[in-house]
Amino acid sequence: DQQVKQNSPSLSVQEGRISILNCDYTNSMFDYFLWYKKYPAEGPTFLISISSIKDKNEDGRFTVFLNKSAKHLSLHIVPSQPGDSAVYFCAASGNQFYFGTGTSLTVIP
Amino acid sequence: KAGVTQTPRYLIKTRGQQVTLSCSPISGHRSVSWYQQTPGQGLQFLFEYFSETQRNKGNFPGRFSGRQFSNSRSEMNVSTLELGDSALYLCASGGGYDNSPLHFGNGTRLTVT
Repeated sequence: DQQVKQNSPSLSVQEGRISILNCDYTNSMFDYFLWYKKYPAEGPTFLISISSIKDKNEDGRFTVFLNKSAKHLSLHIVPSQPGDSAVYFCAASGNQFYFGTGTSLTVIP
Repeated sequence: KAGVTQTPRYLIKTRGQQVTLSCSPISGHRSVSWYQQTPGQGLQFLFEYFSETQRNKGNFPGRFSGRQFSNSRSEMNVSTLELGDSALYLCASGGGYDNSPLHFGNGTRLTVT
């Protein structure tokens, strides 16, 4: 049973525009949420996180939004750059970390 | 600070064999977790060790086992390999406390033929 879902397997965006990656979760007890970026042949790299007591966290070009009532998490990348092309995983923390299946982002120059 | 180190990077094994993967966490990290990544399945949690004790376990058969040593290094063992065990195996370390992210190694790519 997938407790964290990323329903879009892929996303293409023009360079300079906004990339929005979405994630839904089922367990209201999750209290810490994260985004990871993964290049081929490398392990996932931690990008940004948010605690359930917040609804927004920003770090440079990356902003994570949390909507607890909708059990929805999103990652905004502004402006998108070709180097952002990678697979993005969202994750939620309960008694363990639960990961989504990933969204492959392609930023077109 | 050195990152999480996994060895070997690549492995090819035959069905029925067993395999041991190794992970050295970031210095000072006491928690080590293992994940299996297959296409379309995301990262599936195998188990977590903290101070040499298994703290949590995912839904994998008993053929998958692990351990953690006093220096926090961890090993994962898979016995009686099956074709479906072909995957990228990722190790992650963390501080082991709430609201701290996991930091991943580059993984071991296991191919079972």
